[in-house]
Amino acid sequence: GAGVSQSPRYKVAKRGQDVALRCDPISGHVSLFWYQQALGQGPEFLTYFQNEAQLDKSGLPSDRFFAERPEGSVSTLKIQRTQQEDSAVYLCASSPDRELNTIYFGEGSWLTVV
Amino acid sequence: DQQVKQNSPSLSVQEGRISILNCDYTNSMFDYFLWYKKYPAEGPTFLISISSIKDKNEDGRFTVFLNKSAKHLSLHIVPSQPGDSAVYFCAATAYSGGGADGLTFGKGTHLIIQP
Repeated sequence: GAGVSQSPRYKVAKRGQDVALRCDPISGHVSLFWYQQALGQGPEFLTYFQNEAQLDKSGLPSDRFFAERPEGSVSTLKIQRTQQEDSAVYLCASSPDRELNTIYFGEGSWLTVV
Repeated sequence: DQQVKQNSPSLSVQEGRISILNCDYTNSMFDYFLWYKKYPAEGPTFLISISSIKDKNEDGRFTVFLNKSAKHLSLHIVPSQPGDSAVYFCAATAYSGGGADGLTFGKGTHLIIQP
């Protein structure tokens, strides 16, 4: 597809379960971002990759959150031992450069932890 | 401690009239501001942006105004159309500080255009 693709779109996890969320950025996009959006809130920055390098992970809320982009294309956000407060929409975005007005968001992965 | 504030959770405007969405920020390091539009079950899409060296940027029906001294920006949509009904997020970053590492978003304003 032409846009940023995320999977799964919807995920229900039992508390304590590990989850992995996948992001396929637009082909050729150098920059990739992950954001977390809780209900009624705006997106909050989690982490940023430039190609395969994770340049900023200051927004990851705990060491249960881990993101990777090993080949500079597809990225995976992994959440270990999920807790109820992890329930949110996880948005991935990509950009061909570092220009802010060229960031494209995916539709998000909706995670519900029960 | 919210650095970007959108104090109106929702706004209802009649079709054809002007919609004005407001945003305030507290971090004086922010120097680049963006507005995103979001439909239900979709990701946010970029609408318009403004650098702190400007006080106005216009793109068709959309105009963003920046008042640096008041740390306030607003998005004007005129005339408002039914397809403008969506959640609008204000976002900011300290872009000149090093790059597009991350945006700080407000909580959003749900704009409803009444026919």
